[in-house]
Parts: sequence; structure tokens; C-alpha cells
Amino acid sequence: DGGITQSPKYLFRKEGQNVTLSCEQNLNHDAMYWYRQDPGQGLRLIYYSQIVNDFQKGDIAEGYSVSREKKESFPLTVTSAQKNPTAFYLCASSLTGYTEAFFGQGTRLTVV
Amino acid sequence: AQSVAQPEDQVNVAEGNPLTVKCTYSVSGNPYLFWYVQYPNRGLQFLLKYITGDNLVKGSYGFEAEFNKSQTSFHLKKPSALVSDSALYFCAVRDSNNAGGTSYGKLTFGQGTILTVHP
Repeated sequence: DGGITQSPKYLFRKEGQNVTLSCEQNLNHDAMYWYRQDPGQGLRLIYYSQIVNDFQKGDIAEGYSVSREKKESFPLTVTSAQKNPTAFYLCASSLTGYTEAFFGQGTRLTVV
Repeated sequence: AQSVAQPEDQVNVAEGNPLTVKCTYSVSGNPYLFWYVQYPNRGLQFLLKYITGDNLVKGSYGFEAEFNKSQTSFHLKKPSALVSDSALYFCAVRDSNNAGGTSYGKLTFGQGTILTVHP
């Protein structure tokens, strides 16, 4: 069953702790993306990667880090430097940098 | 820099009536345009895309969109709305001029439009 898997669906962390969100795809897509969604602000791009071992900062990369050691995996770490980390995080992948992206079901992160 | 604008936060339409959700874009090269739909607490579902060719593209669930280069628009349309079409809709763009550069593959979304179809 092909697709994009984000885990966990809900995540709670204490303020000041780093947390890593998982994103795995078995679609053999080259490109992967992380977005943050807040009410009324649409989707904002955090990081994206077009190839293994390479990634680019998106529009709101501060306080986040990523790695792309394997084609199928693109984990996102929300660091303690991210001032307002509570949000809905969406991972996506696309076959190339020109094609449509497909999304996971999201991870809702709540920092208390 | 590439950008997308969805000028309407909300669109309300009666069931059976035609619907339009507006989208305008800004890119330096040729646009690759996409529409997505999102239901509460879920990921986005791809509806349709424009890459090249016919300005009217057809997609899933009876939706279509019209590309207008002179107006830099890509409005989403459906001839007859259903209550089940009620959801959050996003327009997105890629820029062909990003090829070979550090922005290659960047996919930018609009703010989203809440569509409500009333029975």
C-alpha cells in the first residue's frame, strides 16, 4: 500500500524540549517537503529536499532542522529555538520538482 | 519570489449552483499550478494541475480550473456544487525558472479558502 506515513498523529511535548516528527514515503519520490499549518495562515514551507543528502530552507526554517539520509525518509526536528511550535505539521512528497505533491495525514504537535 | 493569493477567505454557495474559488499567482517563469482540498484534521488531497496545454483542466470530483496567463489566475470551478464539497481549498504554484537553482522544486501555497455549500 503506497503512500506517505507521518507519525505520530498527535504529539505532546514540554516547552524547551526538542522533538522529531517522522515522515516516510514508499512512492519512490525524489522530492520531500515539510509544511506548517496554522489557522488562517495556510501552509508555510519549512524545508524541502529534491535529492538525498540535500535540502533547502523554506520560508520559515528558523527553529527547525531536517535530514535526508535516505530517499524514503525526511524527519523534521522542532528545536527549543522555535518560539511557537504548537501547530499542525504536514509532510509531502513529489516524483520530481515539477509534479504534484502528495501529503501525509499530518502530525498535530502541542507544546505545553 | 513565487507567491499565491486566494483573495477570498470564505465562499458560500447553495447546493446545485456553480462555484468558483479564486487564485492568482506570481512567478518569474512559467507556472505549474495545482489545486488541493483538505478536510478537517487531514492531509491535503490533490484535485488537479496545470502544467502546459489546454487552459481548461479537469480534475477529480467534477472540479475544473481555468488558467489565464494574462490575468495570472487559476480559478477553481464546479458547475453544480454538492454539500460534500464543503472543505478548505488550497491553490499552489511552482516556478519553471527555478530549474537548476537552489529553489528548484519549491512549492508555495495560498492561504486557503473555506468553501461552504448550503443545502
